[in-house]
Amino acid sequence: RKEVEQDPGPFNVPEGATVAFNCTYSNSASQSFFWYRQDCRKEPKLLMSVYSSGNEDGRFTAQLNRASQYISLLIRDSKLSDSATYLCVVGQNTGFQKLVFGTGTRLLVSP
Amino acid sequence: DTGVSQNPRHKITKRGQNVTFRCDPISEHNRLYWYRQTLGQGPEFLTYFQNEAQLEKSRLLSDRFSAERPKGSFSTLEIQRTEQGDSAMYLCASSLEHDEKLFFGSGTQLSVL
Repeated sequence: RKEVEQDPGPFNVPEGATVAFNCTYSNSASQSFFWYRQDCRKEPKLLMSVYSSGNEDGRFTAQLNRASQYISLLIRDSKLSDSATYLCVVGQNTGFQKLVFGTGTRLLVSP
Repeated sequence: DTGVSQNPRHKITKRGQNVTFRCDPISEHNRLYWYRQTLGQGPEFLTYFQNEAQLEKSRLLSDRFSAERPKGSFSTLEIQRTEQGDSAMYLCASSLEHDEKLFFGSGTQLSVL
């Protein structure tokens, strides 16, 4: 079983749609949680950190459920520019910030 | 440009050759990481430096791989006797100590023929 599991997609949605991605993680000792965005052939970039209380950044909302070891990302009012791969990432602070990445969920937003 | 810089961007080599990649982290970042990403997968951790000390190595890092950060600034990753399975994007990242945010470079895409 992979440490971080995501549905690879692709998710095909029209502009303006709301789309949700989920991921699960297996290591209950994980301490930090993130969503990264990766465009084709580019490096991953931090989209947002994820907290148990939930956090929102504009059209993006992230949520963590520690009991279920489940992380979600909601994108409202999708834009064409949101087309990318969204990587669920779990941090294991074993003296340093070791990031464990999921395989990513591909999102395609169409006109 | 004050971001993480990696060179070369692309490397094509024949099986059995040695290759070396370079990473220049953000100047004030004392932590440096190497990750490897293959098509359709997320990045996988390879190794970590704090200043010049290599403190963690993944089991993915076979004996053919060696990484250095001699003066605690730039780092090199060398792969000896390359194999086709080494073909991947090699990503470098850096961070400040005690900062959970990693900043990635654009990566070096290695193709072993």
